[in-house]
Amino acid sequence: AQSVAQPEDQVNVAEGNPLTVKCTYSVSGNPYLFWYVQYPNRGLQFLLKYITGDNLVKGSYGFEAEFNKSQTSFHLKKPSALVSDSALYFCAVRDRDGQNFVFGPGTRLSVLP
Amino acid sequence: DSGVTQTPKHLITATGQRVTLRCSPRSGDLSVYWYQQSLDQGLQFLIQYYNGEERAKGNILERFSAQQFPDLHSELNLSSLELGDSALYFCASSVRSGMSYNEQFFGPGTRLTVL
Repeated sequence: AQSVAQPEDQVNVAEGNPLTVKCTYSVSGNPYLFWYVQYPNRGLQFLLKYITGDNLVKGSYGFEAEFNKSQTSFHLKKPSALVSDSALYFCAVRDRDGQNFVFGPGTRLSVLP
Repeated sequence: DSGVTQTPKHLITATGQRVTLRCSPRSGDLSVYWYQQSLDQGLQFLIQYYNGEERAKGNILERFSAQQFPDLHSELNLSSLELGDSALYFCASSVRSGMSYNEQFFGPGTRLTVL
């Protein structure tokens, strides 16, 4: 069965510093991997995805993520955090049969001014 | 604004009742997904429809059912409601091809409270 772990419930970072939100996954075969962000009282917004090819994926708002097959990880990164990046971040995985779509528990990012 | 609309925004009902949540996907999107978000269970994928047909099924209870109509809007029906069904229900849609690697666009959600 597929699963996604986000080992940190909360990540705090100072504005201007680099940020990393961690994600590891378990799926049979090669995965499709996604990052979404949820602002308060809003639906989720797509940030980026990995399908195949280059392990470094660039997405919206300056975010990027690195797919590491050997470590089964897909960590979200940004070189310089903004206060407006404060939100709930979800990692998600879908297997290539497309029969299920599993989200991680979410990581709350707080960027402090 | 994602282009996905959901109604109603809030719904308060009693245990044992039945409710219907409605979703209109983005113009041209053929796939619709339903999710349940609660504090204890997180975000759970319930079901996906593609062009009127069920495409994938997640952790959807037998008391819940969904359908997608010819105009591509979708409804999620929740019956014999229990207190634990109180949650935020999201609908999402994705682009035409229905491939499982397509990103999804989420609606604002319907907050269901079961008393």
